[in-house]
Amino acid sequence: DGGITQSPKYLFRKEGQNVTLSCEQNLNHDAMYWYRQDPGQGLRLIYYSQIVNDFQKGDIAEGYSVSREKKESFPLTVTSAQKNPTAFYLCASSARTGNTEAFFGQGTRLTVV
Amino acid sequence: GDSVTQMEGPVTLSEEAFLTINCTYTATGYPSLFWYVQYPGEGLQLLLKATKADDKGSNKGFEATYRKETTSFHLEKGSVQVSDSAVYFCALSRAGSARQLTFGSGTQLTVLP
Repeated sequence: DGGITQSPKYLFRKEGQNVTLSCEQNLNHDAMYWYRQDPGQGLRLIYYSQIVNDFQKGDIAEGYSVSREKKESFPLTVTSAQKNPTAFYLCASSARTGNTEAFFGQGTRLTVV
Repeated sequence: GDSVTQMEGPVTLSEEAFLTINCTYTATGYPSLFWYVQYPGEGLQLLLKATKADDKGSNKGFEATYRKETTSFHLEKGSVQVSDSAVYFCALSRAGSARQLTFGSGTQLTVLP
């Protein structure tokens, strides 16, 4: 079955550590996205990529970094510069042409301990 | 830029009540419109979509009609169930936009038995 997989589902980070969240898709989608969701809040766009080896900052990119070396993969690193990283992180992908819907992973809940 | 405005939540209904969640949008051109549903601790799932004016999307008893004249895509269900309790997101996709996807802020629905 085609889909988008995020791992791990739960992640704990100590203060001052960098952590990387994985996102893999086998839908052959060009575009991939990372969103942050805080309790009771909507989605905020962190980074997006329309094509391999290219990505753009979203609305809240500070303290985060991404790479897009392969079409299938779009990992997100939460760096120590992110002051309040505890949140639910969602990865999504979509086709790049046409007004197409996005497909979402199951999310990663990151907690700073 | 593109934007999506949803009615403020939370919304609490009794089982078998009628549901309406309002959604209006601003976008140039001809976007596609979507409703996504998010159950607790999970990613977003596509609930229904409409790709052109006057299209009606429907799924699991939910319906929404793409109204270009009022730039609206209101979600309705005639008789809600406890299992419909979730967060509902209205969204648009426009191929000419660099970010392509724009989401509303989400509406929390709680259905009481």
